Amino acid sequence: SAVISQKPSRDICQRGTSLTIQCQVDSQVTMMFWYRQQPGQSLTLIATANQGSEATYESGFVIDKFPISRPNLTFSTLTVSNMSPEDSSIYLCSVYSVGISYEQYFGPGTRLTVT
Amino acid sequence: AQSVAQPEDQVNVAEGNPLTVKCTYSVSGNPYLFWYVQYPNRGLQFLLKYITGDNLVKGSYGFEAEFNKSQTSFHLKKPSALVSDSALYFCAVRSGSARQLTFGSGTQLTVLP
Repeated sequence: SAVISQKPSRDICQRGTSLTIQCQVDSQVTMMFWYRQQPGQSLTLIATANQGSEATYESGFVIDKFPISRPNLTFSTLTVSNMSPEDSSIYLCSVYSVGISYEQYFGPGTRLTVT
Repeated sequence: AQSVAQPEDQVNVAEGNPLTVKCTYSVSGNPYLFWYVQYPNRGLQFLLKYITGDNLVKGSYGFEAEFNKSQTSFHLKKPSALVSDSALYFCAVRSGSARQLTFGSGTQLTVLP
């Protein structure tokens, strides 16, 4: 399995500001995924981040709002820009397990509250 | 397109009794099916998967799931529930060609002492 860490674990931010979430994996992986879990809801994929190329965003998510960086094979960041209370969610980083591509593992999540 | 349905928002069961959490899916081609568990203020933990082979798959913490192709179901089961099993359970699916998982809405399992 892959060991994934995220920073910060939680934050409270004011509307209009931006927050950058970091995701670190203990092994090199090709694809990293960013998910959002709104309060009481299921997980929704925001984007897929590949090293060396632009992230691929899912319908309803745009780069200006959720810019993503992927500088190397073990690290990625997701920025939530110009935040509003509707952005209050848990944001999770995810990767496929190295050598077992069917298994997808998740970081502990970043709990964001926007006031 | 791929989709997952978890028809029960909440399942309550007494400790020591068997538990079942239901999941049905829709996908083009062969399904890859997964169960995850989320404890309060924690990320998702992988429980088990079905890719191919035996329809009954065993996973972590004594959980198992049965793949039923004709009913397009992948129900999660445990013979004897523990209070510590109380958590939010998600079923997920992807087809062989898809790169991302699609999650169900989740089922809150409460095991009563």
